[in-house]
Amino acid sequence: SYVLTQPPSVSVAPGQTARLTCGGNNIGSKSVHWYQQKPGQAPVLVVYDDSDRPSGIPERFSGSNSGNTATLTISRVEAGDEADFYCQVWDTGSDPWVFGGGTKLTVL
Amino acid sequence: EVQLVESGGGLVQPGRSLRLSCAASGFTFDDYAMHWVRQAPGKGLEWVSGISWNSHSIGYAVSVKGRFTISRDNARNSLYLQMSSLRAEDTALYYCAKARAYDWTNPGDHWGQGTLVTVSS
Repeated sequence: SYVLTQPPSVSVAPGQTARLTCGGNNIGSKSVHWYQQKPGQAPVLVVYDDSDRPSGIPERFSGSNSGNTATLTISRVEAGDEADFYCQVWDTGSDPWVFGGGTKLTVL
Repeated sequence: EVQLVESGGGLVQPGRSLRLSCAASGFTFDDYAMHWVRQAPGKGLEWVSGISWNSHSIGYAVSVKGRFTISRDNARNSLYLQMSSLRAEDTALYYCAKARAYDWTNPGDHWGQGTLVTVSS
C-alpha cells in the first residue's frame, strides 16, 4: 500500500516559520490533507486538498504539494501550535486512506 | 455546532465482539459520509472504515476487513462499528469523523473525542 513519510519531530522558535514535510511516491498527483492533534485531544483538520483551509483555521497555516513532497507551512509560530501533525491521502490501493506517521512540532 | 459522541468501548477478551456507536448532531447527518479512525496508545492515526451518505459505498482497512462492519442509521443520526474476532492489536481509541462531503473519499472535518477499546484477557 501507499506509504507517507513524515519526520518524527520538528522544532521552531516562536515567531518563526515551521515547515512540515510529507513524502510519498508522486504525492503531487494526490490530494493531501493535514491534521493537528494536541495532547489529549481529537485531531483537527487544518488543511485539505493540498492548500485549502477549513473555516476557523488561521491563515498562518498553509499547504503545498508537488513532486514527491507535500508541505504544511505554519507562519509566525505560537506556543499554542505545539502538537502532532499528520498528513493523509486517498489511494486506490488496498488501503484507501493512508496516514503519515506524524510529526511532533515543538515550539522552543 | 457539529457534535459527535462515541460510545460502546470497553475491555473485551480476544476473539469476542463489540459494537461502537457514534451519535451525531449539529448537521444534516444524511448529507455526509462518515469515517471510523483509531489510534493505539502512544501511536499514530489509522483509518479503519468509511461509509457514504446512503450506505451504498463502504470501505475498510486491510487490517479489519472481514472482521469489522460499518453501518449507519440516518433516521437516528447514528454511525456504528461492529467489531468481531477482536485482537490485542485492535486496542485503541476509536474516533468517528464526519467527512467533508457525501462520499468517504473526502477527509474527516469534524471528529468526536473517541471511545477506548481494550482487547485483553
